[in-house]
Amino acid sequence: DGGITQSPKYLFRKEGQNVTLSCEQNLNHDAMYWYRQDPGQGLRLIYYSQIVNDFQKGDIAEGYSVSREKKESFPLTVTSAQKNPTAFYLCASSLGQGRAEAFFGQGTRLTVV
Amino acid sequence: GDSVTQMEGPVTLSEEAFLTINCTYTATGYPSLFWYVQYPGEGLQLLLKATKADDKGSNKGFEATYRKETTSFHLEKGSVQVSDSAVYFCAPGGGSNYKLTFGKGTLLTVNP
Repeated sequence: DGGITQSPKYLFRKEGQNVTLSCEQNLNHDAMYWYRQDPGQGLRLIYYSQIVNDFQKGDIAEGYSVSREKKESFPLTVTSAQKNPTAFYLCASSLGQGRAEAFFGQGTRLTVV
Repeated sequence: GDSVTQMEGPVTLSEEAFLTINCTYTATGYPSLFWYVQYPGEGLQLLLKATKADDKGSNKGFEATYRKETTSFHLEKGSVQVSDSAVYFCAPGGGSNYKLTFGKGTLLTVNP
């Protein structure tokens, strides 16, 4: 079945450690996105990529990094510079080129202790 | 950039009640409009969409009409069920804006 897979579903890390969240899609979509969700805040865009080997910062990129070496994959690294990393992270993809209908993964809940 | 104002929740209804969740937006050009639904602990699922003015999106008994003159895309359902309990997000996007802009979400709880 086509879709987006995020792993793991739950992730625990100690403060000061970098952690990488995985996102893979087999929908042949050009565009991919990372969102952060906090209670009562809705979804905030961290990074997005419209094509392989290219990505742009979203509204809250500080403390995060991404790569887009393959069309299918868009991993997100939460670095130790992110001041409040505990959150629910959602990956999404779309056809791109002006077509914004997005398909979402199941999310990764990151807890930093 | 684009922005969305959604009806603030939480909204609590009894089963079989009528539901309206208001959504208004500002956007450059002529975006597509989407409603997404999120069940507890899960990602977002597309509920319905409309791509041009006066289009009506519908799915699972939910409906919303693209009103360009009032820049609105209100979500309605005639008779809600307990299984409709979730968070609902309104989002414009597409066209000159390649990405979706989300509202803060509206939590709906339906009691038996």
